[in-house]
Amino acid sequence: KAGVTQTPRYLIKTRGQQVTLSCSPISGHRSVSWYQQTPGQGLQFLFEYFSETQRNKGNFPGRFSGRQFSNSRSEMNVSTLELGDSALYLCASSLGTGAGNQPQHFGDGTRLSIL
Amino acid sequence: EDKVVQSPLSLVVHEGDTVTLNCSYEVTNFRSLLWYKQEKKAPTFLFMLTSSGIEKKSGRLSSILDKKELSSILNITATQTGDSAIYLCALTHTAGGTSYGKLTFGQGTILTVHP
Repeated sequence: KAGVTQTPRYLIKTRGQQVTLSCSPISGHRSVSWYQQTPGQGLQFLFEYFSETQRNKGNFPGRFSGRQFSNSRSEMNVSTLELGDSALYLCASSLGTGAGNQPQHFGDGTRLSIL
Repeated sequence: EDKVVQSPLSLVVHEGDTVTLNCSYEVTNFRSLLWYKQEKKAPTFLFMLTSSGIEKKSGRLSSILDKKELSSILNITATQTGDSAIYLCALTHTAGGTSYGKLTFGQGTILTVHP
């Protein structure tokens, strides 16, 4: 079974630009969550999508947005990039349904550098 | 707000040593506690713990949850250089009987194993 796939792997942008990151979950997984990882703040939750709806949201400004398509693939968009947005952006997927506990499985991430 | 604290933040040992990593938490509506191993890329799922006192094992790794003490430990016996990584502890919470796809992470423990 293929794992979580994130594209692109690396991205270099300048301040003020916008960026779109993509995530393809494990087949059959309907929940996709996004995280930002930085040396100072560690791994922080951005948002979760399930069945094309945002189900949960972290404490990030409105410049960070996302969406999910009918095939469960998800995209994350960051507008008006700032130097502090430089980070590893990780996507994780899980089944997302039912009351059972299901671990999230992570992709390799997109390394975003802002110049 | 949910809080996860890991200790120590870093640890240096030699091959063959046994290590114990700690994770303490404060959370409302506890659902599960997860351990991940992160090398250069994606965090890799190790264990999910939901019940207190039940040890989970995988090879040289084991973990147990203590709900009374609001903590968990991850043990690694006979360490190898390949165990060098960041070990992350994370919590899920529940709302209305559904486990949402939000993980709250600790800062991580950086483990370095020297030959």
